[in-house]
Amino acid sequence: GESVGLHLPTLSVQEGDNSIINCAYSNSASDYFIWYKQESGKGPQFIIDIRSNMDKRQGQRVTVLLNKTVKHLSLQIAATQPGDSAVYFCAETIQGAQKLVFGQGTRLTINP
Amino acid sequence: DAGVIQSPRHEVTEMGQEVTLRCKPISGHDYLFWYRQTMMRGLELLIYFNNNVPIDDSGMPEDRFSAKMPNASFSTLKIQPSEPRDSAVYFCASSPSGGASGQYFGPGTRLLVL
Repeated sequence: GESVGLHLPTLSVQEGDNSIINCAYSNSASDYFIWYKQESGKGPQFIIDIRSNMDKRQGQRVTVLLNKTVKHLSLQIAATQPGDSAVYFCAETIQGAQKLVFGQGTRLTINP
Repeated sequence: DAGVIQSPRHEVTEMGQEVTLRCKPISGHDYLFWYRQTMMRGLELLIYFNNNVPIDDSGMPEDRFSAKMPNASFSTLKIQPSEPRDSAVYFCASSPSGGASGQYFGPGTRLLVL
């Protein structure tokens, strides 16, 4: 989950479809994960979090899945809307610590 | 709640000039973070404070960068002298105490050093 990269992975979906954004995290000791949404010209915005004692957590139209075996995190957005267009970042940390390590981000584009 | 407030929103300066970025965290939040975001390196943590005390500054690029938090409601990030490679968006974030419960980001300061 090191925050590097010249080009962001891009995902394009049709409005109304579901989208899945994936993230591979780097530290097997990480036990707290957060998804952030960043719209153009704005700061990252907290969407949903999950602790390592869970493998799934649901919010409003969003679901986060955690697979600790393969160190994989995903964000599912149901019935995508134009306002969902943004860059989505996963972040990891060790519980009790404050330092977040951000992934490179995925740009989600919603097509009308 | 007004959220995290940053100023200025945009800054254009010439190489060698001093730049000061400002941040007001959310009231009651004990942690304050400074990040830098570029296309090349993504989102990088520069430094963070707990109860106005710097805890980890390992991300500060070099001695040209300094950060202070004189009180619970104000922090500055200073670059002196600035260089073109410092051009980036600088974010301030704050979080409540009790572990990594999610950080709340400000709108950022877009810095361009010519």
